[in-house]
Amino acid sequence: KNEVEQSPQNLTAQEGEFITINCSYSVGISALHWLQQHPGGGIVSLFMLSSGKKKHGRLIATINIQEKHSSLHITASHPRDSAVYICAVSSSGTYKYIFGTGTRLKVLA
Amino acid sequence: SAVISQKPSRDICQRGTSLTIQCQVDSQVTMMFWYRQQPGQSLTLIATANQGSEATYESGFVIDKFPISRPNLTFSTLTVSNMSPEDSSIYLCSVGWGETQYFGPGTRLLVL
Repeated sequence: KNEVEQSPQNLTAQEGEFITINCSYSVGISALHWLQQHPGGGIVSLFMLSSGKKKHGRLIATINIQEKHSSLHITASHPRDSAVYICAVSSSGTYKYIFGTGTRLKVLA
Repeated sequence: SAVISQKPSRDICQRGTSLTIQCQVDSQVTMMFWYRQQPGQSLTLIATANQGSEATYESGFVIDKFPISRPNLTFSTLTVSNMSPEDSSIYLCSVGWGETQYFGPGTRLLVL
């Protein structure tokens, strides 16, 4: 069993839909990171969370430390949101990440 | 945040040859990381490169195959040596900044 699990693996949505991607982890962490990887390969860091909730534009990320679970929400999805979303966790004192397997999102116009 | 560039952005190479990938950061950083991402897979850490010390390699990766240089706080190179088709991947560098990592745009490598 992977230390960081994501669901779903693949997701197809219609433009405008509300999207949720889930991440569960089984190790102790100091922070959880949501990353976005576009088809060209580059990776953008979206959020770093250690508790609660963060919002940036149409993206919302939440974390429940007790349940070891995080969600990434996309409101009013758009085709440009099509990408692979990766959950990663890190521990205190290290930059090293443990990565989830990613969720491939496709938003149709 | 840190801005990272990589060269080349992509390359097609013949088996048995070597390719050196460059990673340039716009700020001085202590920790740099090199990753491999095989088709359809998540990222796998190859090594951590700190300036002034030997790179630390992860299990399954060796210096002879992936030599790394870190001559200063803004630059690093990864060489993929004696390539085989199994080395076809995206190679990414990243830097530790604040409490997070920032990633370069990646080098897409195809080995024939």
